[in-house]
Amino acid sequence: GAGVSQSPRYKVAKRGQDVALRCDPISGHVSLFWYQQALGQGPEFLTYFQNEAQLDKSGLPSDRFFAERPEGSVSTLKIQRTQQEDSAVYLCASSPDRGYGYTFGSGTRLTVV
Amino acid sequence: SQQGEEDPQALSIQEGENATMNCSYKTSINNLQWYRQNSGRGLVHLILIRSNEREKHSGRLRVTLDTSKKSSSLLITASRAADTASYFCATASVNRDDKIIFGKGTRLHILP
Repeated sequence: GAGVSQSPRYKVAKRGQDVALRCDPISGHVSLFWYQQALGQGPEFLTYFQNEAQLDKSGLPSDRFFAERPEGSVSTLKIQRTQQEDSAVYLCASSPDRGYGYTFGSGTRLTVV
Repeated sequence: SQQGEEDPQALSIQEGENATMNCSYKTSINNLQWYRQNSGRGLVHLILIRSNEREKHSGRLRVTLDTSKKSSSLLITASRAADTASYFCATASVNRDDKIIFGKGTRLHILP
């Protein structure tokens, strides 16, 4: 596609509910990243894929967070048993390979009530 | 954890003036990138400068990199109202150039 597409754009979840956030990267981009951005802060790294391999998940805040990219294209970030502190904007980005700039999606704003 | 620190945290200038934002970082880098984020939207990549480069231009943007001081600056010349946004620097470390770490950003406001 022309850009990185994320869905849904907004998600309201009740505390304890599971959510799944989707990212469609630019076709052919090898690298895919997930970031979490709290209000007024810079994006915080969550996890990184190169094709289907998850090479770094050091930024995932807890074992309630899980990400996958099974066929090396679309990725899903899943949050189980959501908590209020999970409320943030979740940004997905892709790049052709290492050492290139990233193209970001518009993000998913998650609000846990 | 955040690698880069932008300075100032917020900046207001008159339209037509130049805006300068600075970024300092801690570890050796492979490259440094600047991004813009308009309110409520995703980040837009502006410029990538590699560790062996000292200056780069793109339209009204000029980025400098001083690896000895571990710092970079972003200059926007002849600012416009549409430049109002948050600006972030992000670094790819020399040991882990496959991911970038962002600073907290500078909020730039262009006054009409």
